[in-house]
Amino acid sequence: EVQLVESGGGLVQPGGSLRLSCAASGFTFSDHYMDWVRQAPGKGLEWVGRIKNKADSYTTYYAASVKGRFTISRDDSKNSVYLQMNSLKTEDTAVYYCARIVVTAGYYGMDVWGQGTTVTVSS
Amino acid sequence: DIQMTQSPSAMSASVGDRVTITCRASQGISNYLAWFQQKPGKVPQRLIYGASYLQSGVPSRFSGSGSGSEFTLTISSLQPEDFATYYCLQHNSYPFTFGGGTKVEIK
Repeated sequence: EVQLVESGGGLVQPGGSLRLSCAASGFTFSDHYMDWVRQAPGKGLEWVGRIKNKADSYTTYYAASVKGRFTISRDDSKNSVYLQMNSLKTEDTAVYYCARIVVTAGYYGMDVWGQGTTVTVSS
Repeated sequence: DIQMTQSPSAMSASVGDRVTITCRASQGISNYLAWFQQKPGKVPQRLIYGASYLQSGVPSRFSGSGSGSEFTLTISSLQPEDFATYYCLQHNSYPFTFGGGTKVEIK
């Protein structure tokens, strides 16, 4: 069974840091790009960023709202992707999801999501 | 960044109704558009990719159309399990952007 499990969420003060993890199982993790998406309480979905696979040089992309503060990395030996979040702001409060990217009919897209981990930024 | 404007933001409909949701991109995105359904407290599920391709396992009452900058998601006959929030996502260029969502409620 394909599964993604996020962890590392919690309460952090503004200006603080947090590292989220997403552990993958049931598929060849190293083949896939991985995305992070977040959802603030009662709000819509926001794409956070992407990390490509080794074949594509682990290239990363970010939303403007997190660029320079968040860093996505991966460890293929541990089947895991990470989201390092620095200089956190109250507006970063959200549920954070990781998602697997698959290529279907030439289109890259999110087909499996984790259950999410909650990050609360508050003093 | 490409802005995705989704309409309506909310709607009430009855079981059996035909429902249409629209997403407009601030610039052309070819057909690099996906639709997701999210039920309360649940993880989003992809319904449509490539603007019009039905995700495996998704009922055929869902369909997508459009190309360029205007796209629609149609539910041909609304079922009780379809009451949810729907989002479009453009993945033509980075950073990717979601529409604001359409909440479909029971009339």
